Amino acid sequence: DAGITQSPRHKVTETGTPVTLRCHQTENHRYMYWYRQDPGHGLRLIHYSYGVKDTDKGEVSDGYSVSRSKTEDFLLTLESATSSQTSVYFCATRRGDTEAFFGQGTRLTVV
Amino acid sequence: KNQVEQSPQSLIILEGKNCTLQCNYTVSPFSNLRWYKQDTGRGPVSLTIMTFSENTKSNGRYTATLDADTKQSSLHITASQLSDSASYICVVSAGSNYQLIWGAGTKLIIKP
Repeated sequence: DAGITQSPRHKVTETGTPVTLRCHQTENHRYMYWYRQDPGHGLRLIHYSYGVKDTDKGEVSDGYSVSRSKTEDFLLTLESATSSQTSVYFCATRRGDTEAFFGQGTRLTVV
Repeated sequence: KNQVEQSPQSLIILEGKNCTLQCNYTVSPFSNLRWYKQDTGRGPVSLTIMTFSENTKSNGRYTATLDADTKQSSLHITASQLSDSASYICVVSAGSNYQLIWGAGTKLIIKP
């Protein structure tokens, strides 16, 4: 998995609670991404980062925020979790216009 | 709107048989196209990359083709093995920030 670690790997949380997912990379890649993957859908981009403190929204960013205070860490926060945010979340990194490397995923269940 | 469409949605074949997966895209500006393999419960892993000038590229039993004029790509798998059971995702890289446009994937099941 090219030095990408996601934590936690599994989480169950209650509706309305805040949740933070962490992505840590050891590759010194410039670009980092958060995706969600749901049955019947391709990977959908939530937010991405093109450098420290440089982030932008993806196609499904509502209800999510991100932060990147150092190159190796990219945090995804659900401010107030809803059942529609139950999903598998993947972090990915890229050096440039190169192959994207993925973490192992975080399975989040909001009850 | 940038889009990547894949067909079929799912496919079941017998071990040892060949198959071809399709990808059509409407993405601009085009940088490259990749095929990823995603095993159940794992993140996607790159199989092959095609740039604008490339028509065919092979990676073992996987052969990808690209027709930039018709904006179509295919992934051909020969002599399928049980380990080929996975989702295969077509991804196009575009734009100044190398935006990745993902297809929904084809779920391939190989039966013994």
